[in-house]
Amino acid sequence: DTEVTQTPKHLVMGMTNKKSLKCEQHMGHRAMYWYKQKAKKPPELMFVYSYEKLSINESVPSRFSPECPNSSLLNLHLHALQPEDSALYLCASSQETRTPLTASVAKNIQYFGAGTRLSVL
Amino acid sequence: QKEVEQDPGPLSVPEGAIVSLNCTYSNSAFQYFMWYRQYSRKGPELLMYTYSSGNKEDGRFTAQVDKSSKYISLFIRDSQPSDSATYLCAMSAYSGGSNYKLTFGKGTLLTVNP
Repeated sequence: DTEVTQTPKHLVMGMTNKKSLKCEQHMGHRAMYWYKQKAKKPPELMFVYSYEKLSINESVPSRFSPECPNSSLLNLHLHALQPEDSALYLCASSQETRTPLTASVAKNIQYFGAGTRLSVL
Repeated sequence: QKEVEQDPGPLSVPEGAIVSLNCTYSNSAFQYFMWYRQYSRKGPELLMYTYSSGNKEDGRFTAQVDKSSKYISLFIRDSQPSDSATYLCAMSAYSGGSNYKLTFGKGTLLTVNP
């Protein structure tokens, strides 16, 4: 089973709202990712969590706040978003090891969820 | 020069045709090469991945990697209308710590006409 589940599927929010996106996987993966994808563009990496710790933040504005409460869950908290933040938000996961530079297949292969389509009004 | 170049198309073919999708890259550090299929308004679905130069086949799909030319391809035989989607190539490179990052091509929009 290579399923990554994201909720909600669609979200409409105003610029003053606070909302959260949720991602869940039960594949035992210990690396989880948030991506943002605009129409007709490839996904852009936002955050990477490794063993529940934030390991990469791609200079994302602070109005996006990630959280990894346990090894299966990843949240993205949204606050005071702008209309240009409207996009498809994708969660992905991959296997992880604590051995640096181990170029195992599993570490490099990311599985994506169906995404949350976010509209900011 | 972008790290990964992919012709965005659109590409339109009749049902049953052989489809060839391609990406070129400039970063020699890329180690793994993936193809994802993305239907409209859905998340990317992993189709195939390869590591070394050569071919890998899975049903109607064949992935080809030529590291010496920095060129990868995805061939779809006997294409079906259900293959209509955007195809994204992606390449993985070490990015520090124990992290690997994917670099995506722009995606090629494929339409298979019945």
